[in-house]
Amino acid sequence: ETGVTQSPTHLIKTRGQQVTLRCSSQSGHNTVSWYQQALGQGPQFIFQYYREEENGRGNFPPRFSGLQFPNYSSELNVNALELDDSALYLCASSWDNGEQFFGPGTRLTVL
Amino acid sequence: AQSVTQPDIHITVSEGASLELRCNYSYGATPYLFWYVQSPGQGLQLLLKYFSGDTLVQGIKGFEAEFKRSQSSFNLRKPSVHWSDAAEYFCAVGAGTSGTYKYIFGTGTRLKVLA
Repeated sequence: ETGVTQSPTHLIKTRGQQVTLRCSSQSGHNTVSWYQQALGQGPQFIFQYYREEENGRGNFPPRFSGLQFPNYSSELNVNALELDDSALYLCASSWDNGEQFFGPGTRLTVL
Repeated sequence: AQSVTQPDIHITVSEGASLELRCNYSYGATPYLFWYVQSPGQGLQLLLKYFSGDTLVQGIKGFEAEFKRSQSSFNLRKPSVHWSDAAEYFCAVGAGTSGTYKYIFGTGTRLKVLA
């Protein structure tokens, strides 16, 4: 059974650029949730995708968007990057509203 | 509002000493509760979880936690700390709202272990 994987591991961007982060869900899971963990903070819920539709969103601006594909993998897109977007981005997969299994994260640095 | 509070930002213990990390939650329904550990630059590792049943939960690496509904707490304990336990620890509650099930995390407790 393959766990949750994320790519890339690390990423450096400059302010104003756009970035796409990717997540492959665990086999058999149909739901992907994305979290942002700023330095020194706990993870914060960004949004969730269930069967290719957005299924709930946290307190993040519209420049944070996502997609889920038919194989249940997912992308997180962030437009117009700001310095405060520097963080560890975690994705978690689950079956429906069950227990979430986290990937290793993508560390984004915005200069 | 749903929330998780970890009152201790930093804790320092000597190797071999006992450890208790505090976690309080605010959630209207029966909570699903979790403890995660995170080493520097790494992702989250699940230590243990509580869904229902026995309120004393055993986890990996010798950790245990006790769910106390009357105190809205889920404190993490270990009888004898090892130097390798130095890390950041996060408590989380699984919260369902309008069909969305998300995790709400505390701000974490950073554990330092003295040799």
